[in-house]
Amino acid sequence: QQQVKQSPQSLIVQKGGIPIINCAYENTAFDYFPWYQQFPGKGPALLIAIRPDVSEKKEGRFTISFNKSAKQFSLHIMDSQPGDSATYFCAAKEETSGSRLTFGEGTQLTVNP
Amino acid sequence: DAGVTQSPTHLIKTRGQQVTLRCSPKSGHDTVSWYQQALGQGPQFIFQYYEEEERQRGNFPDRFSGHQFPNYSSELNVNALLLGDSALYLCASSRTGNQPQHFGDGTRLSIL
Repeated sequence: QQQVKQSPQSLIVQKGGIPIINCAYENTAFDYFPWYQQFPGKGPALLIAIRPDVSEKKEGRFTISFNKSAKQFSLHIMDSQPGDSATYFCAAKEETSGSRLTFGEGTQLTVNP
Repeated sequence: DAGVTQSPTHLIKTRGQQVTLRCSPKSGHDTVSWYQQALGQGPQFIFQYYEEEERQRGNFPDRFSGHQFPNYSSELNVNALLLGDSALYLCASSRTGNQPQHFGDGTRLSIL
């Protein structure tokens, strides 16, 4: 059962654009929502994470928007750069039940110069 | 400060063989989790080890087993390899108490 659905599968933007990646979850027990960035040949690296007590969190050029009632959250990348070209994964976890992260399918982002 | 290290980087096996993958957690971390990432997919949780015991397990068959050592390092063992076991195997470590997980760069396992 797919518990975190991510879209789009791929995304192409121009330098300076604001790509938006969306995720929806089913399990209402999820209470921790991280985003990971993965470059080819590398493991996922944590970018930013949010908990459901806030609706938005910013860290540098990365912003998470969270809608608890809709069970959706999204990643916005401000002033995107070619170096941001990577695969992005959303994930979700129940904080009280161990380490298990449930990942979305991933979004391959390309930022053209 | 070394991050999560995994070995080997790449491995080629044939169907029916057994394989052992190794992981050293980031300094100060005591919890290790293993994930399987098929090509073009998100990582899938295999299991978590803490205090040398399996604490949580995903939807993987008993062919997948693990171990955690007193120094917090961990091994993932897969028996009776199938073609479908070809994937990138990722190790993630964290401190206890719902701390962020840090991933290694994985072991690419190919089954012929």
